[in-house]
Amino acid sequence: SQTIHQWPATLVQPVGSPLSLECTVEGTSNPNLYWYRQAAGRGLQLLFYSVGIGQISSEVPQNLSASRPQDRQFILSSKKLLLSDSGFYLCAWSNPFRDKDQPQHFGDGTRLSIL
Amino acid sequence: GESVGLHLPTLSVQEGDNSIINCAYSNSASDYFIWYKQESGKGPQFIIDIRSNMDKRQGQRVTVLLNKTVKHLSLQIAATQPGDSAVYFCAENILNTDKLIFGTGTRLQVFP
Repeated sequence: SQTIHQWPATLVQPVGSPLSLECTVEGTSNPNLYWYRQAAGRGLQLLFYSVGIGQISSEVPQNLSASRPQDRQFILSSKKLLLSDSGFYLCAWSNPFRDKDQPQHFGDGTRLSIL
Repeated sequence: GESVGLHLPTLSVQEGDNSIINCAYSNSASDYFIWYKQESGKGPQFIIDIRSNMDKRQGQRVTVLLNKTVKHLSLQIAATQPGDSAVYFCAENILNTDKLIFGTGTRLQVFP
């Protein structure tokens, strides 16, 4: 069966520090991968998605970037964190679009606090 | 854990009663819909989905209804249990894209 792992679960970082959050998926190949941010009391905002290695689509202008160095690895990064980057970051995967109508499956998220 | 749903609409039901959670979606081109359950400190968990060529789909204790005319989706939970307490999100997939648009969520509280 497929599993998704995100780490760390919680992270406290000072303003201006770099960031690297990692997400890996097991049990599937060539998945679509997604990064979302969720502010308290809000829905999920799509930040990035990827349909293959090295292919990244950005949904909103921001201080963050994403990379996909391997088929089942998705990384969210920042060179200098801002206070506004605080939030709950969720990674998700789905089967490729060609397998029509596939739900996204989520990891358990990283709660990021910027001080 | 993460506090999701601080300012969300809340539905309070008694244990054993049926719950109905509603969602209005935005895009008439959406062709696939999903309900997720999110517990505090965790990621959303898939509950049930429905395609636009259907108007009802049933799972274990859950039923999703789709009314395309008014762009409305509902999730019905039978015999609600304390473990059903969570925030529930609907999501729509726009035709020919890989992306989901999420609703703002509803907090379900189950009391004994």
